Amino acid sequence: DAKTTQPPSMDCAEGRAANLPCNHSTISGNEYVYWYRQIHSQGPQYIIHGLKNNETNEMASLIITEDRKSSTLILPHATLRDTAVYYCIVMNLTGTASKLTFGTGTRLQVTL
Amino acid sequence: KAGVTQTPRYLIKTRGQQVTLSCSPISGHRSVSWYQQTPGQGLQFLFEYFSETQRNKGNFPGRFSGRQFSNSRSEMNVSTLELGDSALYLCASSLAIGVEAFFGQGTRLTVV
Repeated sequence: DAKTTQPPSMDCAEGRAANLPCNHSTISGNEYVYWYRQIHSQGPQYIIHGLKNNETNEMASLIITEDRKSSTLILPHATLRDTAVYYCIVMNLTGTASKLTFGTGTRLQVTL
Repeated sequence: KAGVTQTPRYLIKTRGQQVTLSCSPISGHRSVSWYQQTPGQGLQFLFEYFSETQRNKGNFPGRFSGRQFSNSRSEMNVSTLELGDSALYLCASSLAIGVEAFFGQGTRLTVV
């Protein structure tokens, strides 16, 4: 699976958009980009995933660059409850098995 | 519907003992994966089961084993416990391989 690079930490004011970048320059054509987050002492929570088109759901938007070498997770109106570690993961789905290879993630701190 | 249930939530064991952790996936989910989370190594993939078959295995010693039953419930076993096995063990279930995974709250194992 391709490796990902994320900034170790970011701050965001409550109510503002949080833009979390992820670099995955070695991604291959059949690998998807997944985002999960982990709030302290809880299990990771799925946020969104995509292949090459931008995706949006009730939680966030995922913007993938045209060359697919990087992506940005956007939380449109961050709240204090969005404070968590956010993981960007690249996963190959063409095989008969899958695993999530977590990196160190970005620790997002949302402040008043 | 009920989420992923892991039991027990907390466990204290002595070095050399063995331990069995249990995971009940979301009803209808057939894929179950296990992860170990430690402060030093982060989240690491242990193994994945689908339809009672191990489909993928992480880089852990043979002391770590698992199985999945016909009702999709899964157990993992760690034999000859070492202090370094102290960790949060997380189970995730998904409807099929490669789709959104739902994590349980984890079992926190402390080896003394």
